[in-house]
Amino acid sequence: LAKTTQPISMDSYEGQEVNITCSHNNIATNDYITWYQQFPSQGPRFIIQGYKTKVTNEVASLFIPADRKSSTLSLPRVSLSDTAVYYCLVGDPDKLIFGTGTRLQVFP
Amino acid sequence: DAGITQSPRYKITETGRQVTLMCHQTWSHSYMFWYRQDLGHGLRLIYYSAAADITDKGEVPDGYVVSRSKTENFPLTLESATRSQTSVYFCASRGGTEAFFGQGTRLTVV
Repeated sequence: LAKTTQPISMDSYEGQEVNITCSHNNIATNDYITWYQQFPSQGPRFIIQGYKTKVTNEVASLFIPADRKSSTLSLPRVSLSDTAVYYCLVGDPDKLIFGTGTRLQVFP
Repeated sequence: DAGITQSPRYKITETGRQVTLMCHQTWSHSYMFWYRQDLGHGLRLIYYSAAADITDKGEVPDGYVVSRSKTENFPLTLESATRSQTSVYFCASRGGTEAFFGQGTRLTVV
């Protein structure tokens, strides 16, 4: 099971782009990279998933370099409502193991 | 209503009592999961299930029992509750890429 490492916390201001990097040095060939968002007192919510290169949806972009040993979640023009904990998951989708996550605080 | 629901939302129980947390999903998703989240920490997987009658241990299964006789239900039982099991419990289901989580059950063991 690939272990992930993320920054514990990040601060940003409204309107800025936020990039959260996740390190997963021992990612397996079949592993996908998935990000979830969790607001206080709520269950996590799926943001995006990718295998390689770049994936974009209406919420975020996910950048994965060729060696796949890291990935970057990019949130364009964050707002106060993006204040949450962001989790990077790598490995067996049957188990959905969460790490400690990155606590993003967005200031006005 | 379609979705995943947990009950009860809040529960206070005494040490040593048995308590069951319920989880119901309406999508017929194959996979279901139980997590606990202690205050200020991440989610830890307790048990998961790939299909009806198939369950497996997660990261922290001790003190918990699950069953899955029907696809839509995945109850979690604390056989003899301890104070260390005070936590917020989340249930989730997954049919494809995305997992959907319930609102959580806040359990306090006194």
